[in-house]
Amino acid sequence: AQSVTQLDSQVPVFEEAPVELRCNYSSSVSVYLFWYVQYPNQGLQLLLKYLSGSTLVESINGFEAEFNKSQTSFHLRKPSVHISDTAEYFCAVIPPGGYNKLIFGAGTRLAVHP
Amino acid sequence: DTGVSQDPRHKITKRGQNVTFRCDPISEHNRLYWYRQTLGQGPEFLTYFQNEAQLEKSRLLSDRFSAERPKGSFSTLEIQRTEQGDSAMYLCASSPGQSGNTIYFGEGSWLTVV
Repeated sequence: AQSVTQLDSQVPVFEEAPVELRCNYSSSVSVYLFWYVQYPNQGLQLLLKYLSGSTLVESINGFEAEFNKSQTSFHLRKPSVHISDTAEYFCAVIPPGGYNKLIFGAGTRLAVHP
Repeated sequence: DTGVSQDPRHKITKRGQNVTFRCDPISEHNRLYWYRQTLGQGPEFLTYFQNEAQLEKSRLLSDRFSAERPKGSFSTLEIQRTEQGDSAMYLCASSPGQSGNTIYFGEGSWLTVV
């Protein structure tokens, strides 16, 4: 069965520092990949997604993620974080076939400190 | 507001009582999903509807859980004889029909069983 591993449960970082949140998935076949963000007491919001094409995808608020098929990874990066980026970040995949069903990792708590 | 709407947002109930959550998906989204999220974990898939048909149910969905989408629009998730282990956030999501399309989440319904 498809699985998603987020290697860090918590990532503390200072404001304006770069950050990388790691995500690996288990499938060796083509999958759709997503990053969702969850602010306290809210639902999930899509940050970015990879379906096909360019392996580097970007969000409107400065995050980017790179699909690496050989390493089955989809790490999320931002060159300079803000206090407002403090949130829980979830990596997810949609395996081939099925019903467009998301399978989530356990999440990474990003805590940005001043 | 044209997002996914869930009601109630919070519910506290005594063990053994029945509870029902309602989800109104984005208009014209024919796919609807229910997920459960416990503290410190990623969302776990519960069930999926395409229009009014329930096409997949997770093993997490015990006999005490039932979900419906009678007219292919709103959906309900009922939990009978609640247990303390049912305490979680129940997330509803919807998407258009094609694979890879963004899945939009509601704000979630928090359930606390005391």
